[in-house]
Amino acid sequence: DTGVSQDPRHKITKRGQNVTFRCDPISEHNRLYWYRQTLGQGPEFLTYFQNEAQLEKSRLLSDRFSAERPKGSFSTLEIQRTEQGDSAMYLCASSGKRFPTYEQYFGPGTRLTVT
Amino acid sequence: QQPVQSPQAVILREGEDAVINCSSSKALYSVHWYRQKHGEAPVFLMILLKGGEQKGHDKISASFNEKKQQSSLYLTASQLSYSGTYFCGTEGSGGSNYKLTFGKGTLLTVNP
Repeated sequence: DTGVSQDPRHKITKRGQNVTFRCDPISEHNRLYWYRQTLGQGPEFLTYFQNEAQLEKSRLLSDRFSAERPKGSFSTLEIQRTEQGDSAMYLCASSGKRFPTYEQYFGPGTRLTVT
Repeated sequence: QQPVQSPQAVILREGEDAVINCSSSKALYSVHWYRQKHGEAPVFLMILLKGGEQKGHDKISASFNEKKQQSSLYLTASQLSYSGTYFCGTEGSGGSNYKLTFGKGTLLTVNP
């Protein structure tokens, strides 16, 4: 069990540019989640996949954000036309099938700074 | 609805005890507790399901009062390694089993 990994760990971009982050979940986990965390706040839910299906997307997520999980393995989160308000830590988590609890294990996050 | 955590911050000396509370205004299916150290990912501590069960490992335990929609995290005989921000994440009574709503966190500092 190598844990959840994310790449890159840090990203600095200029306003208006597009960025893409990658998340590799724990291998046997079929659920994958994206959260965003800003300073002094808890993680905020963005979207969720079960296998390759995206089952929910937060209303807080604008159309500039898109996520994919092809083949139900790794996932990517893309932000188009970045804005300064997008600066945050983007966390990925995964969980398995054990019923009735689904512990979510977080990756180290990608810290995005939009200048 | 974001759960409310209290206190916002607590400072302890090594060996002292602490209680962190998490309250929700809506019915809950489960409460998840995490600890996050500065610059690191949240680390899973435990899940509590509705039914009022109490869980624990080592010197950290938690309870969940389903009727009051409250959970408490108990840290006994604190160690320096307990320092960090503790978050509760709540899951609604619909049992969505996926989306967690996190509180703003409780910053715990353990001094020698």
